[in-house]
Amino acid sequence: AQSVTQLDSHVSVSEGTPVLLRCNYSSSYSPSLFWYVQHPNKGLQLLLKYTSAATLVKGINGFEAEFKKSETSFHLTKPSAHMSDAAEYFCVVSDLSNDYKLSFGAGTTVTVRA
Amino acid sequence: GAVVSQHPSWVICKSGTSVKIECRSLDFQATTMFWYRQFPKQSLMLMATSNEGSKATYEQGVEKDKFLINHASLTLSTLTVTSAHPEDSSFYICSASRGPANTGELFFGEGSRLTVL
Repeated sequence: AQSVTQLDSHVSVSEGTPVLLRCNYSSSYSPSLFWYVQHPNKGLQLLLKYTSAATLVKGINGFEAEFKKSETSFHLTKPSAHMSDAAEYFCVVSDLSNDYKLSFGAGTTVTVRA
Repeated sequence: GAVVSQHPSWVICKSGTSVKIECRSLDFQATTMFWYRQFPKQSLMLMATSNEGSKATYEQGVEKDKFLINHASLTLSTLTVTSAHPEDSSFYICSASRGPANTGELFFGEGSRLTVL
């Protein structure tokens, strides 16, 4: 079965500084990995996804993530945080073992200081 | 494109009543829709997978008689919380699949917050 561990429950950064959200995954098959963002009382928006193509994935709003099989990681980064980046971020994995259903990490809350 | 709409966004009901939440794919056909439940400050928990024209597949621990799911068409799935009680209060989110499951073509609704008094 697949699973995801988000290593930080809360990340606080200053506006204009880099953001790093850490995610480790477990999968017995070739996984698909995603990062979603959720603003308060809203649904989820896909930031980016990895599905066995390029290991460095660029997403929307300046975010990118790198798939590292040797480290079983899929960390999300952004070089310069904006106030609008304050939200909840979920790392998600899916693979064949669970009919490609999505398994969500516990989430990381990002706050951005002015 | 690829918009999923949920209705209502907010609903308050009395204990013992039933509440229906709709999930619509507005500009694409969704053969599969998923229903999730999210408690405050927690992640999403998959409740069930809804396939058009067939019975929903429920995850372990989810009461199918409590949470009735109907996927009557390729653009509409409904979740009915029957005889709701305060412990059913939660944020319910649906998602719709536009393509094969392993491509990640999943689009999420904005969620429906249910409060049971």
